[in-house]
Amino acid sequence: GENVEQHPSTLSVQEGDSAVIKCTYSDSASNYFPWYKQELGKRPQLIIDIRSNVGEKKDQRIAVTLNKTAKHFSLHITETQPEDSAVYFCAASMAHTGGFKTIFGAGTRLFVKA
Amino acid sequence: DVKVTQSSRYLVKRTGEKVFLECVQDMDHENMFWYRQDPGLGLRLIYFSYDVKMKEKGDIPEGYSVSREKKERFSLILESASTNQTSMYLCASSRQGFAGSTQYFGPGTRLTVL
Repeated sequence: GENVEQHPSTLSVQEGDSAVIKCTYSDSASNYFPWYKQELGKRPQLIIDIRSNVGEKKDQRIAVTLNKTAKHFSLHITETQPEDSAVYFCAASMAHTGGFKTIFGAGTRLFVKA
Repeated sequence: DVKVTQSSRYLVKRTGEKVFLECVQDMDHENMFWYRQDPGLGLRLIYFSYDVKMKEKGDIPEGYSVSREKKERFSLILESASTNQTSMYLCASSRQGFAGSTQYFGPGTRLTVL
């Protein structure tokens, strides 16, 4: 069945350093790859997404890359700040009866040390 | 601003009870989803719906059912609650699209089954 693997499960970086989270997916029909950030006690919120016809997308300090051949996509956060501390989820969406289905990774808990 | 609300933030029920979790969205979204969130397992899809009265099983539908009588409302039903259903339940909605789109999450319901 469809699966999304996410690594690492925990990541600790010093403020100002970069953080990279990696995901792989199994279903080659996946065509939309969102990333969600969940702060402690809050709901997940979309921070960036990429579609299968694009290899890279950037939004200020956040960038996502996609390698469709390898079924691999990554989140890059540069110049990390304490407020970046949260759990990050990658996901892969594919068409499904009547709409689409999204499979989430297990999450990465990012700690940014001041 | 998209608003997704859930009927309860915290709920305590006894084994064998019938439990209703309700979700309402105000953005006229076609798609609605129910997930459960457990540490180390990420967000797992229970059921989703792409239209009124339509429902599709997700990855872990056993022990759950859903109802979507109106476009804005999607209910998750635990017919006979069990302790292994103790979890955080998140509802989400998104607009229609075969290519995937942003999901907007509710605040979550933390359910404890004793």
